[in-house]
Amino acid sequence: SSELTQDPAVSVALGQTVRITCQGDSLRSYYPSWYQQKPGQAPVLVIYGKNNRPSGIPDRFSGSSSGDTASLTITGAQAEDEAVYYCNSRDNSANQWVFGGGTKLTVL
Amino acid sequence: QVQLQESGPGLVKPSQTLSLTCTVSGGSISSGSYFWSWIRQPAGKGLEWIGRISASGSTIYNPSLKSRVTISIDTSKSQFSLNLSSVTAADTAVYYCASAYFGSYFDYWGQGTLVTVSS
Repeated sequence: SSELTQDPAVSVALGQTVRITCQGDSLRSYYPSWYQQKPGQAPVLVIYGKNNRPSGIPDRFSGSSSGDTASLTITGAQAEDEAVYYCNSRDNSANQWVFGGGTKLTVL
Repeated sequence: QVQLQESGPGLVKPSQTLSLTCTVSGGSISSGSYFWSWIRQPAGKGLEWIGRISASGSTIYNPSLKSRVTISIDTSKSQFSLNLSSVTAADTAVYYCASAYFGSYFDYWGQGTLVTVSS
């Protein structure tokens, strides 16, 4: 399958923990990467590999995977974390890379 | 730190070819560690991977666009380019170029350039 499925929208209270999920067959074989996109800006890589953060990404962002589902967890969400989050993975059946549809995170 | 900058026409007529160039600075486009990608995003919608090229010129394209896409690279100019033929209004989007470390994840992105397909 060449699809990655994400919930369209998730909300979290300020300071609480939120999990954003990504589901797809390819995740059984490949770790996803996660991107944060704020309005009018290019996406920014926040998690890659098993659970790696690029330099400058706060440690409240973490990633995990189990079976066909991967998760991006924000522990202690901040107002500046409000954004759309996309997962991305190599497609298991075709030589291509696929993005999930994105999850809009609202911090209340 | 690698920086990428897209350039090209912001308006393309239907049935014509969309052509964009991405200029890479702060790193070597010839690095064997990187693949160079194009990604697009229609207004209000999600991201779509278009394709990628290696420094040696090896390409992989999104199957849904493969018949219309050509990605090329000019290492002497530190540039790689996207050509998308026979465009329609559905190709209107912000087009991003990005570097993909060993092809696994997109670590650096350009700011994006809006291309509108309209007569």
